[in-house]
Amino acid sequence: GAGVSQSPSNKVTEKGKDVELRCDPISGHTALYWYRQSLGQGLEFLIYFQGNSAPDKSGLPSDRFSAERTGGSVSTLTIQRTQQEDSAVYLCASSSLRVGDYEQYFGPGTRLTVT
Amino acid sequence: DQQVKQNSPSLSVQEGRISILNCDYTNSMFDYFLWYKKYPAEGPTFLISISSIKDKNEDGRFTVFLNKSAKHLSLHIVPSQPGDSAVYFCAASVVPGYALNFGKGTSLLVTP
Repeated sequence: GAGVSQSPSNKVTEKGKDVELRCDPISGHTALYWYRQSLGQGLEFLIYFQGNSAPDKSGLPSDRFSAERTGGSVSTLTIQRTQQEDSAVYLCASSSLRVGDYEQYFGPGTRLTVT
Repeated sequence: DQQVKQNSPSLSVQEGRISILNCDYTNSMFDYFLWYKKYPAEGPTFLISISSIKDKNEDGRFTVFLNKSAKHLSLHIVPSQPGDSAVYFCAASVVPGYALNFGKGTSLLVTP
């Protein structure tokens, strides 16, 4: 079946602009996660959705970052007033959370460059 | 603070030999551990997981060992193949399905 998809695959934006990144999880997956990977770093957790609610948003680095999920499916990560330090690959993952299948399946990521 | 550490940024192994990738963690509440493999310009791909009630889990050429008292896990790949060349990430969570804490990765190169 189809995997996790993300759009756009690349985004270049000017400092101060807002950006929206989209994630389409695997159909039927209850949980959705956002991570980011800055250059030379591991993946950094941002936010976790179960259904449409976000029980853990502890990784969002500032109030410029927000995310929503609608219909238990698509999620959008919004970064307002982008800064150069926001440049990273933003990765989305989803999981069914069925017993014995807790793995998170990742999309290909959106590479964000803030100039 | 980095709760999951992969202290070897890179590793080179000959085809057919064993690759051993190591990972240490600091949070004693971690209960579920995973290894992911990542190729350039792709998202991480799940390889193998282990829960804290076990000390070993095998899947084909891949075996993960967990030493809870030492807060250490390792991934063994045997025999190593050139297609195994990728970046390997160790990850851990307090509860399966919760947010993952990742290490910085180890780049494995398997040479013919």
